[in-house]
Formats: sequence, structure tokens, C-alpha cells
Amino acid sequence: AQRVTQPEKLLSVFKGAPVELKCNYSYSGSPELFWYVQYSRQRLQLLLRHISRESIKGFTADLNKGETSFHLKKPFAQEEDSAMYYCALSGSGNTGKLIFGQGTTLQVKP
Amino acid sequence: DGGITQSPKYLFRKEGQNVTLSCEQNLNHDAMYWYRQDPGQGLRLIYYSQIVNDFQKGDIAEGYSVSREKKESFPLTVTSAQKNPTAFYLCASSTPIGPGPYGYTFGSGTRLTVV
Repeated sequence: AQRVTQPEKLLSVFKGAPVELKCNYSYSGSPELFWYVQYSRQRLQLLLRHISRESIKGFTADLNKGETSFHLKKPFAQEEDSAMYYCALSGSGNTGKLIFGQGTTLQVKP
Repeated sequence: DGGITQSPKYLFRKEGQNVTLSCEQNLNHDAMYWYRQDPGQGLRLIYYSQIVNDFQKGDIAEGYSVSREKKESFPLTVTSAQKNPTAFYLCASSTPIGPGPYGYTFGSGTRLTVV
């Protein structure tokens, strides 16, 4: 079964500290993985996707097929990074549907 | 200004009533999706549609129905058969079929409460 697991409901760090939001997936095939972010009172929006191999707002995520993980990292957290983060997996069969994890709330304290 | 519009923002339903949530997009996207967002459970797919006049059930379709008569519109009806309808509902679209280079575009959501 295709599944995305985010083991932490809440991650609290101090400003300037490194951040790692964990994401593990279960998928038979070549996955397409994404991170979405929802800031307070804003819409859910795409942060980054593994195919792009880009860094957005200082965040990066590397797909590790051996560990079936796609952890989101940032070396120095900022207060404006406080938000809900969702990891998502593109389903098989080119249906386009995304399977989301449970979400992790990141709280960056001053 | 292109985007997805969900209405209403807040909706209250009495026991035994059907209610319809609106989702309209002017992005010319082919695919549209309905998700339910509950605390601690993430987003769960209710229904999705890849093309006009066609739609498929997602993981939690029971108690819900949809239609896709126009490319721009994908309304969701929450029927009285849905046992626990109180939740936050999100509509999304994408093109081409699939997450695409920009991923999904999401609406601002509708919060449904049963009273």
C-alpha cells in the first residue's frame, strides 16, 4: 500500500537552530515526492518537489530510496518558518492524486 | 486573477441534511480533487476528476458525491449518510493530469460543522 508517514506532530526549535522534518514513504516503484506548507491563515502551497532538486526558502529535501525517506531540512530556522508542513507522494497509474502524510507543525521560537 | 475559489468559507449543517460545497477554478486545469483535513490525520482524498463528466472515488468517498459537468467546477455534496462530516474541506486542481511542475493549486477551504 502507498503510505506517507510523518512521525512528529509537533517540532519546536529555537531561531537559528537546524530543522529536520521527517517523512517516510511506502511505495513500489519510482516515487514522486513533495513538501507542502500551510502558513497561518494562508492556503496550502507547494514548497518543493524532489524532481526539481531545488532549495526554496532555504529548505532542501533529498530522496533516499534506500531508507524510503524524504526529510525536509533547513540549516538555520527562522520565525517565519513556523507553519504546518505536509509530505506528499504521487500515486501510481498517472492518476495525479497525492497521498499526504499526517502533517508536522513546526514552531520556531525566538 | 487566476485561482481556485471555494464557497462558502463556513457552513453549518443540521443532522440529516445534504449540503453542497462549491469549488470553481479559472486556471484551465484538467484535474480537480477534494480532500478532507482533520487534525492529526492529514489530508485524505474524497473524490477526484481528471476530465469533464468523469470522476473517481478516493480513499474516503462514502457519504459524499460529486459532479463534473464543467471543467471549471467540481462541487462536493456531503450527504446525510456521512457519519462524521464536521471537518475542513479542501479543493485542489492541477494540470496536466498529475501534480505537474507546480504541484497542486489549493483553494482556501470550507469549514463544515454539524449542529
